[in-house]
Amino acid sequence: EDQVTQSPEALRLQEGESSSLNCSYTVSGLRGLFWYRQDPGKGPEFLFTLYSAGEEKEKERLKATLTKKESFLHITAPKPEDSATYLCAVQPLRRNTGGFKTIFGAGTRLFVKA
Amino acid sequence: GAGVSQSPSNKVTEKGKDVELRCDPISGHTALYWYRQRLGQGLEFLIYFQGNSAPDKSGLPSDRFSAERTGESVSTLTIQRTQQEDSAVYLCASSRTINSPLHFGNGTRLTVT
Repeated sequence: EDQVTQSPEALRLQEGESSSLNCSYTVSGLRGLFWYRQDPGKGPEFLFTLYSAGEEKEKERLKATLTKKESFLHITAPKPEDSATYLCAVQPLRRNTGGFKTIFGAGTRLFVKA
Repeated sequence: GAGVSQSPSNKVTEKGKDVELRCDPISGHTALYWYRQRLGQGLEFLIYFQGNSAPDKSGLPSDRFSAERTGESVSTLTIQRTQQEDSAVYLCASSRTINSPLHFGNGTRLTVT
């Protein structure tokens, strides 16, 4: 069964304290892995797409990396405005059925204190 | 507007009533998804539409749930005989193609009393 597991569930950082969020996945084949940010009361907002192991993407203080089993979202010198829930999602490869369901993890709630 | 629009933003209903939730996707987006998010939890896939293909209904939790989409336009999610466990935020997303990232609306918060 396709599955996405994120850790930790919650992470509390001081402003400027760098850290990483983990996303482990199990899929029969990976079409793409996505990272989203979700603020309270809002829908998720797209951050990155990664397609193959070894790929990296960067945006401001965030960098996403991908291996064959997991992805990391590295946060360098975070600021209070980075506080949000970060969601990881995978789109499995469905050669037979052609379905393209995107499966989400439960998310990591990040709190950054000034 | 340029984004995905959902209505209503909030809905309070009595147990046993039917509700209809609406999603206006981004113009030109061929794929449309419905997800459910319970308080403090991740996104639970419900249903997926891609162009004129048969929808993927594998995530619908019971036959009380149904969804329709006409072409590449508006979609409606209908929940019949609502139960308290249906209380959640229902999120709609659209994407330009099957490989593209999802663009989400801000959801409909459904409360069943």
